[in-house]
Amino acid sequence: GQNIDQPTEMTATEGAIVQINCTYQTSGFNGLFWYQQHAGEAPTFLSYNVLDGLEEKGRFSSFLSRSKGYSYLLLKELQMKDSASYLCAVHNRGGNMLTFGGGTRLMVKP
Amino acid sequence: GAVVSQHPSRVICKSGTSVKIECRSLDFQATTMFWYRQFPKQSLMLMATSNEGSKATYEQGVEKDKFLINHASLTLSTLTVTSAHPEDSSFYICSAQPGAGNSPLHFGNGTRLTVT
Repeated sequence: GQNIDQPTEMTATEGAIVQINCTYQTSGFNGLFWYQQHAGEAPTFLSYNVLDGLEEKGRFSSFLSRSKGYSYLLLKELQMKDSASYLCAVHNRGGNMLTFGGGTRLMVKP
Repeated sequence: GAVVSQHPSRVICKSGTSVKIECRSLDFQATTMFWYRQFPKQSLMLMATSNEGSKATYEQGVEKDKFLINHASLTLSTLTVTSAHPEDSSFYICSAQPGAGNSPLHFGNGTRLTVT
């Protein structure tokens, strides 16, 4: 089976930095996705990590450690519009489906 | 970029009726599409994998006779919720992957189903 854990909720201040962690236990790991989902909308793709290390894309960065079964999403210079749910999803070998964690609801306050 | 179109975006139906949701890949062909369901404040749960030209693969606990999936072409998959009940009220989202391997899944905009 698979087990994907991320915090349920986080609160941060506008302009600050926040790190959202995701740990996973799975067999046949191929990579890990991060998606952003605003309330009532479909998820939108943020990043995909296959190899260990940090991938930076503007204000968002994602890190992966395959040996530790650990990833994080780093959001810098937080804006109010970053208030959303952030979903990590494990991509397994042998299929194209993703298994999603429970999502982290981030609230950005002024 | 790749676009997945889902229709309708919202539907309200009476208990006992059936509802069909369409998912189209607009600028790529998708031999496989995925149907997810999301209850309020919960994450996406995979319901089934739709395979073009063959039977869908359902996840454990999902009734295949209640959630009928048809993937008749490389750009269209449909999910029909048969004999809907209030507990079927949820957000249904389809997704597809343009290209192979590590390309990200692209999601439709979802369908908010309310069964009264």
